[in-house]
Amino acid sequence: GESVGLHLPTLSVQEGDNSIINCAYSNSASDYFIWYKQESGKGPQFIIDIRSNMDKRQGQRVTVLLNKTVKHLSLQIAATQPGDSAVYFCAEIHQFYFGTGTSLTVIP
Amino acid sequence: NAGVMQNPRHLVRRRGQEARLRCSPMKGHSHVYWYRQLPEEGLKFMVYLQKENIIDESGMPKERFSAEFPKEGPSILRIQQVVRGDSAAYFCASSRGEEDTQYFGPGTRLTVL
Repeated sequence: GESVGLHLPTLSVQEGDNSIINCAYSNSASDYFIWYKQESGKGPQFIIDIRSNMDKRQGQRVTVLLNKTVKHLSLQIAATQPGDSAVYFCAEIHQFYFGTGTSLTVIP
Repeated sequence: NAGVMQNPRHLVRRRGQEARLRCSPMKGHSHVYWYRQLPEEGLKFMVYLQKENIIDESGMPKERFSAEFPKEGPSILRIQQVVRGDSAAYFCASSRGEEDTQYFGPGTRLTVL
């Protein structure tokens, strides 16, 4: 069935290092993905999106890569900061599917 | 522009009471989505509405739960005869159109005693 899943539930990185959060999906018809950041006690916050006609999209300190061949996408955060500590979800928005999330902890 | 607004932010109910959660979408957005999140879990889709129409309610429990998005006013998620298992964070999102990005509100945290 359709699913959007995260490879790792937790990730710890040193402040200043780059972070990579991965996500797999199973439905080859999936065509619109969004990464959200959720801090404790708050609602998900839009970070960046990518449509299936793209392989890569860059924002401020974030890059999303989409590999449709292996049904995989990743979120790269450059120069990770303590304020980046949160749970990160990928979502296939048209299917209303969200992964459990990866909890990112930035070590000062 | 104001973002998606939800109220109340926290709601406490006793078993058997009714809970009403309200969501005002962003300006210019006519599509509303409700999600439920249990502690340490991801978001689970409940229902997708446009003005005066329920488009997809495949994630809604068959009993006690209902949702509406009237022509005027906020979207309402209503839970009748609440049980302890209904305790969760309920998030609303809105989008301009079906193909567009969903933006989330701050959520309503429901606690059933």
